[in-house]
Amino acid sequence: KNQVEQSPQSLIILEGKNCTLQCNYTVSPFSNLRWYKQDTGRGPVSLTIMTFSENTKSNGRYTATLDADTKQSSLHITASQLSDSASYICVAAPYSSASKIIFGSGTRLSIRP
Amino acid sequence: KAGVTQTPRYLIKTRGQQVTLSCSPISGHRSVSWYQQTPGQGLQFLFEYFSETQRNKGNFPGRFSGRQFSNSRSEMNVSTLELGDSALYLCASSLEQYSYEQYFGPGTRLTVT
Repeated sequence: KNQVEQSPQSLIILEGKNCTLQCNYTVSPFSNLRWYKQDTGRGPVSLTIMTFSENTKSNGRYTATLDADTKQSSLHITASQLSDSASYICVAAPYSSASKIIFGSGTRLSIRP
Repeated sequence: KAGVTQTPRYLIKTRGQQVTLSCSPISGHRSVSWYQQTPGQGLQFLFEYFSETQRNKGNFPGRFSGRQFSNSRSEMNVSTLELGDSALYLCASSLEQYSYEQYFGPGTRLTVT
């Protein structure tokens, strides 16, 4: 069964600290893995997109890694800021089938001053 | 370049009524996808339109329908509303069909009472 599991469900860290969010997926045939940031009441915004051949991709203070063998991905946030408070959603997509894109339930990250 | 716009942003309807939501994609984008987001189920794919044709459909009842116009603007319609249809409805646009790069709109918050 195709699914995406994210952990932790929620996380609270102090401003300036680093954190890592986890994503395990089972999607076949796997095409790409995406991380989105979603602020409360807003639409998701793409952070990174990685195909099966990519191991890491950065976007400013966000760095995503992908291990296609173990079907695991992580999103590392460096030097967190208050504006990083949001939900982070992991998405696994198969080839050529929008209907089979699987969204994780998200990690709710709160940054405390 | 203007982003994806959705109207209305908020909507309150009564059970049994029908509703139409509108999405204007980024200029030049020809693909529009619709998603339903609820706290319990997360993000779920509804359908994708490209060149005025529905290309993919998620696992939703026939009460959910949509269409795309020649200018790529899209509408989705939900008939005979149920309480469980209360959700944030998001549309995402991309240049081509089933593209990795999707840009989400702010969503329409639908509440069914």
